Amino acid sequence: AQSVTQLGSHVSVSEGALVLLRCNYSSSVPPYLFWYVQYPNQGLQLLLKYTSAATLVKGINGFEAEFKKSETSFHLTKPSAHMSDAAEYFCAVILTGGKLIFGQGTELSVKP
Amino acid sequence: NAGVTQTPKFQVLKTGQSMTLQCAQDMNHEYMSWYRQDPGMGLRLIHYSVGAGITDQGEVPNGYNVSRSTTEDFPLRLLSAAPSQTSVYFCASSYSASGLSYNEQFFGPGTRLTVL
Repeated sequence: AQSVTQLGSHVSVSEGALVLLRCNYSSSVPPYLFWYVQYPNQGLQLLLKYTSAATLVKGINGFEAEFKKSETSFHLTKPSAHMSDAAEYFCAVILTGGKLIFGQGTELSVKP
Repeated sequence: NAGVTQTPKFQVLKTGQSMTLQCAQDMNHEYMSWYRQDPGMGLRLIHYSVGAGITDQGEVPNGYNVSRSTTEDFPLRLLSAAPSQTSVYFCASSYSASGLSYNEQFFGPGTRLTVL
Protein backbone atom coordinates (compact mmCIF):
# COMPACT_ATOMS: atom_id res chain seq x y z
CA ALA A 1 0.00 0.00 0.00
CA GLN A 2 1.13 3.52 -0.68
CA SER A 3 2.24 5.52 2.32
CA VAL A 4 4.45 8.40 3.37
CA THR A 5 6.95 8.66 6.20
CA GLN A 6 8.14 11.93 7.64
CA LEU A 7 11.53 11.79 9.34
CA GLY A 8 11.62 13.82 12.51
CA SER A 9 8.54 14.84 14.49
CA HIS A 10 10.19 18.10 15.58
CA VAL A 11 12.65 20.31 13.71
CA SER A 12 14.11 23.49 15.15
CA VAL A 13 16.00 26.09 13.10
CA SER A 14 17.21 29.63 13.65
CA GLU A 15 15.62 32.51 11.81
CA GLY A 16 17.38 32.89 8.46
CA ALA A 17 18.62 29.31 8.39
CA LEU A 18 17.75 26.64 5.84
CA VAL A 19 14.59 24.66 6.46
CA LEU A 20 14.63 20.98 5.43
CA LEU A 21 11.68 18.72 6.22
CA ARG A 22 11.98 15.13 5.04
CA CYS A 23 9.35 12.95 3.42
CA ASN A 24 9.76 9.51 1.86
CA TYR A 25 7.04 7.65 0.04
CA SER A 26 6.47 4.03 -0.78
CA SER A 27 4.81 3.42 -4.08
CA SER A 28 4.98 1.02 -6.98
CA VAL A 29 3.64 3.64 -9.36
CA PRO A 30 4.48 7.34 -9.76
CA PRO A 31 2.63 9.03 -6.93
CA TYR A 32 0.90 12.35 -6.56
CA LEU A 33 2.42 14.03 -3.51
CA PHE A 34 1.48 17.04 -1.45
CA TRP A 35 2.80 19.20 1.36
CA TYR A 36 0.28 20.85 3.66
CA VAL A 37 0.89 23.35 6.46
CA GLN A 38 -1.15 23.75 9.63
CA TYR A 39 -0.78 26.91 11.69
CA PRO A 40 -1.82 26.72 15.35
CA ASN A 41 -5.54 26.15 15.85
CA GLN A 42 -6.25 26.25 12.14
CA GLY A 43 -7.11 23.83 9.36
CA LEU A 44 -4.67 22.60 6.73
CA GLN A 45 -3.52 24.69 3.80
CA LEU A 46 -1.88 23.39 0.64
CA LEU A 47 1.77 24.44 0.27
CA LEU A 48 2.57 22.64 -2.98
CA LYS A 49 1.86 19.50 -4.98
CA TYR A 50 3.79 17.18 -7.31
CA THR A 51 1.87 15.89 -10.31
CA SER A 52 4.76 14.64 -12.52
CA ALA A 53 4.92 17.82 -14.63
CA ALA A 54 8.24 18.90 -13.06
CA THR A 55 10.47 17.36 -10.41
CA LEU A 56 11.13 20.70 -8.66
CA VAL A 57 7.91 22.17 -7.39
CA LYS A 58 7.57 25.69 -6.06
CA GLY A 59 4.90 26.51 -3.54
CA ILE A 60 3.66 29.39 -1.47
CA ASN A 61 5.68 31.38 1.08
CA GLY A 62 9.02 30.55 -0.57
CA PHE A 63 8.84 26.78 -0.04
CA GLU A 64 9.80 24.24 -2.66
CA ALA A 65 10.13 20.48 -2.87
CA GLU A 66 12.04 18.15 -5.18
CA PHE A 67 10.72 14.79 -6.29
CA LYS A 68 13.53 12.22 -6.43
CA LYS A 69 12.35 8.87 -7.75
CA SER A 70 15.70 7.17 -7.11
CA GLU A 71 15.46 8.08 -3.42
CA THR A 72 11.63 7.86 -3.17
CA SER A 73 11.76 11.26 -1.51
CA PHE A 74 9.87 14.54 -1.64
CA HIS A 75 11.68 16.77 0.84
CA LEU A 76 10.45 20.29 1.58
CA THR A 77 12.92 23.16 1.73
CA LYS A 78 13.07 26.90 2.24
CA PRO A 79 16.38 28.80 1.96
CA SER A 80 15.75 31.19 4.84
CA ALA A 81 13.37 30.52 7.74
CA HIS A 82 11.07 33.21 9.05
CA MET A 83 9.36 33.29 12.43
CA SER A 84 6.01 33.03 10.67
CA ASP A 85 7.01 29.61 9.27
CA ALA A 86 6.54 28.01 12.69
CA ALA A 87 3.78 25.45 12.13
CA GLU A 88 3.18 21.76 11.60
CA TYR A 89 3.89 20.37 8.15
CA PHE A 90 2.35 17.28 6.61
CA CYS A 91 3.42 15.26 3.62
CA ALA A 92 0.63 13.33 1.90
CA VAL A 93 0.06 10.95 -1.02
CA ILE A 94 -3.15 10.52 -2.96
CA LEU A 95 -4.49 7.08 -3.75
CA THR A 96 -6.78 5.87 -6.50
CA GLY A 97 -10.23 7.33 -5.97
CA GLY A 98 -8.91 10.46 -4.30
CA LYS A 99 -8.09 9.20 -0.80
CA LEU A 100 -5.40 11.37 0.75
CA ILE A 101 -3.05 9.60 3.18
CA PHE A 102 -0.91 11.73 5.50
CA GLY A 103 2.43 11.31 7.16
CA GLN A 104 2.77 11.77 10.90
CA GLY A 105 3.65 15.45 10.64
CA THR A 106 6.72 17.53 11.49
CA GLU A 107 6.51 20.46 13.85
CA LEU A 108 8.81 23.29 12.81
CA SER A 109 10.07 25.73 15.43
CA VAL A 110 11.93 28.89 14.44
CA LYS A 111 14.24 30.50 16.99
CA PRO A 112 14.99 34.23 16.87
CA ASN B 1 -17.54 31.28 -1.27
CA ALA B 2 -17.52 30.16 2.35
CA GLY B 3 -15.44 27.10 1.36
CA VAL B 4 -15.67 24.21 3.81
CA THR B 5 -17.52 24.97 7.03
CA GLN B 6 -17.73 22.86 10.17
CA THR B 7 -19.91 23.12 13.24
CA PRO B 8 -19.52 23.14 16.15
CA LYS B 9 -15.96 24.38 16.77
CA PHE B 10 -15.81 22.83 20.22
CA GLN B 11 -17.83 20.09 21.89
CA VAL B 12 -17.67 18.21 25.17
CA LEU B 13 -19.56 14.92 25.47
CA LYS B 14 -20.02 12.32 28.15
CA THR B 15 -19.27 8.69 27.40
CA GLY B 16 -22.23 7.09 25.64
CA GLN B 17 -23.74 10.30 24.30
CA SER B 18 -24.37 10.73 20.60
CA MET B 19 -23.81 13.70 18.37
CA THR B 20 -23.38 14.80 14.78
CA LEU B 21 -20.53 16.89 13.46
CA GLN B 22 -21.69 19.02 10.57
CA CYS B 23 -19.71 19.69 7.40
CA ALA B 24 -20.81 21.70 4.38
CA GLN B 25 -19.10 22.98 1.23
CA ASP B 26 -20.33 25.45 -1.37
CA MET B 27 -17.84 24.63 -4.14
CA ASN B 28 -19.88 21.85 -5.80
CA HIS B 29 -17.15 19.35 -4.97
CA GLU B 30 -17.77 15.66 -5.64
CA TYR B 31 -15.35 14.33 -3.06
CA MET B 32 -15.70 14.86 0.69
CA SER B 33 -13.93 13.24 3.59
CA TRP B 34 -13.53 13.20 7.36
CA TYR B 35 -10.22 12.97 9.20
CA ARG B 36 -9.26 12.85 12.82
CA GLN B 37 -6.03 14.38 14.05
CA ASP B 38 -4.22 13.02 17.09
CA PRO B 39 -0.76 14.02 18.37
CA GLY B 40 2.04 12.13 16.63
CA MET B 41 -0.33 10.32 14.28
CA GLY B 42 -0.98 12.89 11.58
CA LEU B 43 -4.44 12.89 10.05
CA ARG B 44 -6.23 9.60 9.63
CA LEU B 45 -9.08 9.09 7.22
CA ILE B 46 -12.36 8.06 8.85
CA HIS B 47 -14.89 7.99 5.99
CA TYR B 48 -15.12 9.50 2.56
CA SER B 49 -17.65 10.06 -0.21
CA VAL B 50 -17.14 10.30 -3.97
CA GLY B 51 -20.59 11.77 -4.58
CA ALA B 52 -24.12 12.06 -3.24
CA GLY B 53 -25.40 8.68 -2.06
CA ILE B 54 -21.94 7.05 -2.09
CA THR B 55 -19.78 6.61 1.00
CA ASP B 56 -16.92 4.32 1.98
CA GLN B 57 -14.70 3.55 4.94
CA GLY B 58 -11.24 4.97 5.48
CA GLU B 59 -8.48 3.86 7.86
CA VAL B 60 -10.34 4.30 11.17
CA PRO B 61 -14.11 3.99 10.59
CA ASN B 62 -15.16 2.17 13.78
CA GLY B 63 -17.54 4.16 15.97
CA TYR B 64 -18.49 6.60 13.21
CA ASN B 65 -21.29 6.73 10.64
CA VAL B 66 -21.71 9.00 7.63
CA SER B 67 -24.26 9.69 4.93
CA ARG B 68 -24.25 11.93 1.85
CA SER B 69 -27.76 12.87 0.80
CA THR B 70 -26.69 16.08 -0.97
CA THR B 71 -23.54 17.25 -2.72
CA GLU B 72 -23.07 20.02 -0.16
CA ASP B 73 -23.36 18.20 3.17
CA PHE B 74 -21.42 15.34 4.75
CA PRO B 75 -22.27 14.88 8.44
CA LEU B 76 -20.29 12.60 10.75
CA ARG B 77 -22.22 10.77 13.47
CA LEU B 78 -20.91 9.40 16.73
CA LEU B 79 -23.57 6.98 17.98
CA SER B 80 -22.07 6.26 21.40
CA ALA B 81 -19.09 8.46 22.21
CA ALA B 82 -16.01 6.97 23.86
CA PRO B 83 -12.96 8.71 25.40
CA SER B 84 -10.85 7.26 22.57
CA GLN B 85 -12.78 9.53 20.20
CA THR B 86 -11.37 12.65 21.85
CA SER B 87 -9.66 14.33 18.92
CA VAL B 88 -9.75 17.18 16.44
CA TYR B 89 -11.94 16.38 13.45
CA PHE B 90 -11.43 17.88 10.00
CA CYS B 91 -13.70 17.76 7.01
CA ALA B 92 -12.25 18.21 3.52
CA SER B 93 -13.51 18.38 -0.04
CA SER B 94 -12.10 18.33 -3.56
CA TYR B 95 -13.43 18.75 -7.08
CA SER B 96 -13.21 15.23 -8.40
CA ALA B 97 -12.57 11.75 -7.14
CA SER B 98 -12.07 10.17 -10.54
CA GLY B 99 -9.03 7.99 -11.02
CA LEU B 100 -5.70 9.17 -9.67
CA SER B 101 -7.01 12.61 -8.98
CA TYR B 102 -4.51 15.15 -7.82
CA ASN B 103 -6.99 17.84 -7.13
CA GLU B 104 -6.30 19.91 -4.05
CA GLN B 105 -8.33 19.05 -0.99
CA PHE B 106 -9.76 22.03 0.91
CA PHE B 107 -10.04 21.69 4.66
CA GLY B 108 -12.49 23.10 7.16
CA PRO B 109 -11.33 24.78 10.39
CA GLY B 110 -11.92 21.67 12.51
CA THR B 111 -14.04 20.56 15.46
CA ARG B 112 -12.31 19.92 18.77
CA LEU B 113 -14.14 17.11 20.55
CA THR B 114 -13.59 15.97 24.13
CA VAL B 115 -15.29 12.85 25.47
CA LEU B 116 -15.27 12.52 29.26
